[in-house]
Amino acid sequence: GAVVSQHPSWVICKSGTSVKIECRSLDFQATTMFWYRQFPKQSLMLMATSNEGSKATYEQGVEKDKFLINHASLTLSTLTVTSAHPEDSSFYICSAMYNSPLHFGNGTRLTVT
Amino acid sequence: GESVGLHLPTLSVQEGDNSIINCAYSNSASDYFIWYKQESGKGPQFIIDIRSNMDKRQGQRVTVLLNKTVKHLSLQIAATQPGDSAVYFCAEGFNFGNEKLTFGTGTRLTIIP
Repeated sequence: GAVVSQHPSWVICKSGTSVKIECRSLDFQATTMFWYRQFPKQSLMLMATSNEGSKATYEQGVEKDKFLINHASLTLSTLTVTSAHPEDSSFYICSAMYNSPLHFGNGTRLTVT
Repeated sequence: GESVGLHLPTLSVQEGDNSIINCAYSNSASDYFIWYKQESGKGPQFIIDIRSNMDKRQGQRVTVLLNKTVKHLSLQIAATQPGDSAVYFCAEGFNFGNEKLTFGTGTRLTIIP
């Protein structure tokens, strides 16, 4: 139980384009989801907290206009990286709250060329 | 700012031996701690958690110890197996896991056959 699915698992895009990543809770409803970013050989850094039906809460230093988050239903949150640049290349991981602990998706590897 | 850190970035252990991974945290207000295992290209996988009102918790082959006096957390893995090779992260949170988690830097554990 408590499965979190991310799609796509990897994506390559050209600089200047936008990419959408989906995070779904498959067998439970999640009013809160979290988006993390992980650079190679580094830890997970929280980007934002996604709340169903309301605006996301962004961590300090994360541009909300660049990383658009939508949590329109209790099972789906999306992260859109707008006008992507090579420095946005990273591993993006979502997690969903379900009776603790946090359950994580398998991540999306974004490569911007 | 406050952070969660680890003493050792890498650890190699002979198969069958026990391993101990350490973590130091600095936020005394944290009341929830959790260990995750991350294999290459995947999201974090829950191992074990502990609340601040406990100092020890055991799972299958794993034990977490919490020393609030010195703000130290450890993960003990007994009778290590090749499948235990991964990066291990400690994380801290509030409200007994019902809020966002802050991750430590990670330790790469390698099991030597």
